[in-house]
Amino acid sequence: GQQVMQIPQYQHVQEGEDFTTYCNSSTTLSNIQWYKQRPGGHPVFLIQLVKSGEVKKQKRLTFQFGEAKKNSSLHITATQTTDVGTYFCAKGGSQGNLIFGKGTKLSVKP
Amino acid sequence: DSGVTQTPKHLITATGQRVTLRCSPRSGDLSVYWYQQSLDQGLQFLIHYYNGEERAKGNILERFSAQQFPDLHSELNLSSLELGDSALYFCASSVGWGESQPQHFGDGTRLSIL
Repeated sequence: GQQVMQIPQYQHVQEGEDFTTYCNSSTTLSNIQWYKQRPGGHPVFLIQLVKSGEVKKQKRLTFQFGEAKKNSSLHITATQTTDVGTYFCAKGGSQGNLIFGKGTKLSVKP
Repeated sequence: DSGVTQTPKHLITATGQRVTLRCSPRSGDLSVYWYQQSLDQGLQFLIHYYNGEERAKGNILERFSAQQFPDLHSELNLSSLELGDSALYFCASSVGWGESQPQHFGDGTRLSIL
């Protein structure tokens, strides 16, 4: 269907460890967006990937778009307590809306 | 601050009642999207308006309706409320419409049905 699958659903890490969340689609994506939602907060747009094989970095965050444009990943290097939250990927729906994955909830133990 | 304003922040009401949630988009944004977020369902797209016209419908119940006014603010009306309607309702806005548009979310309205 139109879903995007995100794994893992939860990830608990020790501060300083790395973290990766994966987003997979059964269909080719024209682009993929990533959002972060802090506990008690609202989703905040992080980045959009458009090109096959694209890699973008934001400080300790690295975003990748697969060569086949069917998957994407977000990698955080040396997590900090400020990274806590739920990370969502989102793809375009058939009606021009966004379809969000169920998210990966990251907790960081200091 | 995303620039998207949602009111009220919290709403507590009873089954069978009707409520209206309000959203003011960021200045310059013509699109407004409504989402429902519950623990087990993630972010569910409800409906999208662009410059006053409905553009897309998602998993929106017939008991729910929305509109976007000439000043671009939007209202989501929920009627005949059921316990299962308890959730966080987000409004988001974007400049245009389409899958390449980043969306900017408001703080949400937490609806509790007793």
